[in-house]
Amino acid sequence: KAGVTQTPRYLIKTRGQQVTLSCSPISGHRSVSWYQQTPGQGLQFLFEYFSETQRNKGNFPGRFSGRQFSNSRSEMNVSTLELGDSALYLCASSTGHGLNSPLHFGNGTRLTVT
Amino acid sequence: GENVEQHPSTLSVQEGDSAVIKCTYSDSASNYFPWYKQELGKRPQLIIDIRSNVGEKKDQRIAVTLNKTAKHFSLHITETQPEDSAVYFCAASNNAGNMLTFGGGTRLMVKP
Repeated sequence: KAGVTQTPRYLIKTRGQQVTLSCSPISGHRSVSWYQQTPGQGLQFLFEYFSETQRNKGNFPGRFSGRQFSNSRSEMNVSTLELGDSALYLCASSTGHGLNSPLHFGNGTRLTVT
Repeated sequence: GENVEQHPSTLSVQEGDSAVIKCTYSDSASNYFPWYKQELGKRPQLIIDIRSNVGEKKDQRIAVTLNKTAKHFSLHITETQPEDSAVYFCAASNNAGNMLTFGGGTRLMVKP
């Protein structure tokens, strides 16, 4: 089975712009969750989608949003980018219904905001 | 909300020695505790997990212990090898599965 695929691998954006990241889960996995990884804050949960519905959300501002399509692929959008949004964004998929089951991570999208 | 503290932040051991990483959590409703290993430049990968109805779980050189009363859990790696060098993250999630909180990570360096 193919693993979790994230595109693009790298992105450079300017403050104020918006960005969309994409994640294709492992075939058969219906839960997709997103995480922000920074040297200072570590790994932080953004949100989780299951069957096209956002089930859970972490403590991030409304500039961070996402969606899931009927084929379980997910996108994450960040609007009005700030310098502090520079991070590695990881998505993960799982067979479980929620965040209390093993996660399979993608390689991430490294976003740099200048 | 849940708070997960992980110690130490860095750990250096000699090849063949054991390594222990400890995490404490604050929410007594947490009942799922996974550990992820992230090698440099790679994705995090699950290495072992434990649920609150079990006190210990082993998988070859890796073991996790859980003390629900004290709200802490630990990762034990025996006979460490250079390929064990990585950053290890603990995490905690509750029964509802509506939140996953990670510890700050431990950078393990195994010296040959």
